[in-house]
Amino acid sequence: KAGVTQTPRYLIKTRGQQVTLSCSPISGHRSVSWYQQTPGQGLQFLFEYFSETQRNKGNFPGRFSGRQFSNSRSEMNVSTLELGDSALYLCASSSQGNSPLHFGNGTRLTVT
Amino acid sequence: GQQVMQIPQYQHVQEGEDFTTYCNSSTTLSNIQWYKQRPGGHPVFLIQLVKSGEVKKQKRLTFQFGEAKKNSSLHITATQTTDVGTYFCAGFVGGYQKVTFGTGTKLQVIP
Repeated sequence: KAGVTQTPRYLIKTRGQQVTLSCSPISGHRSVSWYQQTPGQGLQFLFEYFSETQRNKGNFPGRFSGRQFSNSRSEMNVSTLELGDSALYLCASSSQGNSPLHFGNGTRLTVT
Repeated sequence: GQQVMQIPQYQHVQEGEDFTTYCNSSTTLSNIQWYKQRPGGHPVFLIQLVKSGEVKKQKRLTFQFGEAKKNSSLHITATQTTDVGTYFCAGFVGGYQKVTFGTGTKLQVIP
């Protein structure tokens, strides 16, 4: 089975711009969740989607949004980028509920 | 909100020594998972603990879930250089993927 695929791997944006990250889950996995990883804050949960519905949301501002398509692929959008948004953004898929998370390689976002 | 503290933050050990990392949650968990992230890599699932007092072993790794389902530990016996990485616990509350990751313990193994 192919693993979780995230694109792009690297991204450089300017403050104020917006960005869209993509995640293709493992085939058959209907849950996709997103995480922000920074050296200072560790791994922080952004949101989780299941069958195109957002089920859970972390404590991030409204500039962070996401969606999931009918084929379970997911996108995450960050608008009005700030320098503090520079981070590794990880996507994970799982089959359901509290089953193990399978992470992608992440997208390294740098905001200048 | 829910917090999951993990200690120590860093640990350097000589190859062959044992290593333990601990997680403590501010709330009762439905289950806890452990992940390992190698330098430059992504977190990889190790184990899931669900029952109160559960103990699971994977070769040299032993995982425990506390009786109150608020704490957990990972113990590695006789560390090897392949154990290098950051170990995270992930605490789940409720039936869905509302997860809080621990702050992680970075393990360095000196050959």
